[in-house]
Amino acid sequence: SQKIEQNSEALNIQEGKTATLTCNYTNYSPAYLQWYRQDPGRGPVFLLLIRENEKEKRKERLKVTFDTTLKQSLFHITASQPADSATYLCALTGGGNKLTFGTGTQLKVEL
Amino acid sequence: KAGVTQTPRYLIKTRGQQVTLSCSPISGHRSVSWYQQTPGQGLQFLFEYFSETQRNKGNFPGRFSGRQFSNSRSEMNVSTLELGDSALYLCASRHNSGQGSYEQYFGPGTRLTVT
Repeated sequence: SQKIEQNSEALNIQEGKTATLTCNYTNYSPAYLQWYRQDPGRGPVFLLLIRENEKEKRKERLKVTFDTTLKQSLFHITASQPADSATYLCALTGGGNKLTFGTGTQLKVEL
Repeated sequence: KAGVTQTPRYLIKTRGQQVTLSCSPISGHRSVSWYQQTPGQGLQFLFEYFSETQRNKGNFPGRFSGRQFSNSRSEMNVSTLELGDSALYLCASRHNSGQGSYEQYFGPGTRLTVT
């Protein structure tokens, strides 16, 4: 069956360090992979989209990699700040533009 | 541009009742998708509408339905509410660009509590 797996355990890191979040998928051949940020009680906010023919994408302190052989995406936040604390969701788009989300990883950046 | 708006923000209903939630997409966006979010199941896709037609549907019972109007505003309806329908219902809109960008813009959600 199709699965999108993100670390269910919260990730705690120190301010200034690089946070790395993982998204693994099985039985998908996604054309696109997206990352969203969600704060408690709010809707997800789009961060980055990467296409299957792209290996890496950057936006300010964010970097996403997409390895279709390993079926994995890594999401990095460099120089992390307490304001980066949130839940981060990966989502896959396959045929039909249907977006399927992972369960998310909670990131906590401590002073 | 104004973001995606959803009304109401909070709702309390009793089992067996029905409820209608409303979503206004970002101006110019023609696609509206609905999601249910619960702590146990995460974000689950309900359905997507584009130009008043349902384009995709998730694995939810027929009690969940939706529609889209000519101005792209959308409503979803849940009939015969069950306790398990308590969730955050999120609406997202999207603009199909020529480059095939598919990012979605979410509203703040409607928190539905069924008692």
